[in-house]
Amino acid sequence: GAVVSQHPSRVICKSGTSVKIECRSLDFQATTMFWYRQFPKKSLMLMATSNEGSKATYEQGVEKDKFLINHASLTLSTLTVTSAHPEDSSFYICSAGDGIHYGYTFGSGTRLTVV
Amino acid sequence: RKEVEQDPGPFNVPEGATVAFNCTYSNSASQSFFWYRQDCRKEPKLLMSVYSSGNEDGRFTAQLNRASQYISLLIRDSKLSDSATYLCVVNLSGGSYIPTFGRGTSLIVHP
Repeated sequence: GAVVSQHPSRVICKSGTSVKIECRSLDFQATTMFWYRQFPKKSLMLMATSNEGSKATYEQGVEKDKFLINHASLTLSTLTVTSAHPEDSSFYICSAGDGIHYGYTFGSGTRLTVV
Repeated sequence: RKEVEQDPGPFNVPEGATVAFNCTYSNSASQSFFWYRQDCRKEPKLLMSVYSSGNEDGRFTAQLNRASQYISLLIRDSKLSDSATYLCVVNLSGGSYIPTFGRGTSLIVHP
C-alpha cells in the first residue's frame, strides 16, 4: 500500500531557530501533499497545500514566511518552521494522495517542542 | 456552520456494544468521504472509504446520506482495541482534492 515517510518524528529546538520536516511518498507519486497541524485535543487543521513545482497554497491565518514549504519533486515535500516560538509547538503531519479512490496516506507526524 | 461537524463525545460503551457516529457536512458539492481512525499521539489511518451505496468491512459499516448531508459509521461488537478517535473526512469535487477533517469523535470501549 501507499506509504508516506515523515521525519523527524520528534524534535526539540530553541526559540528562534528553524526546523525542517521532510515528507516522502515512498511508492507512489504525490503531485499534492498537505500539511496539517494538530494541537492537543484539537482537530487536524490544514496549513497548506503543496503542489510539485509550484508555490504552496496557504490557509488563511498561516504565515507563509514563517512556514516555508518546498515541493521539489513528486516524492518529497518539506516544511520549515522558521524562527520557531513556543506557540509553534504542535504535532505536524503531512499527507499525500494519488487519487480520491485511495483516501489520503499520512506521515507518522512530527512532534515539535520549542523551548 | 463548520464545513464538517462531528460530536466530539466521548462515547463510553461496554465491550460488545454497537455504537454509531454521524458526521455532517455543509458543502453539497462534496464528492468523496472517508473515515479515519486516530490513536492518541499517532497519525490518522484510513479506516474505510464511504461509498454512495454504503459499505461494510467486518464489524464496521459506513453509510452516506446525501439528502441530509451526513455520513455515518457503525461499529458492531465493540472491542477494547476500538478505543480511539474517529475522524470523518470530506473532499470537494472539481479537481480540488483538499480534504477537510471533522474534529473527531472519541470512543472509549470499557470491559
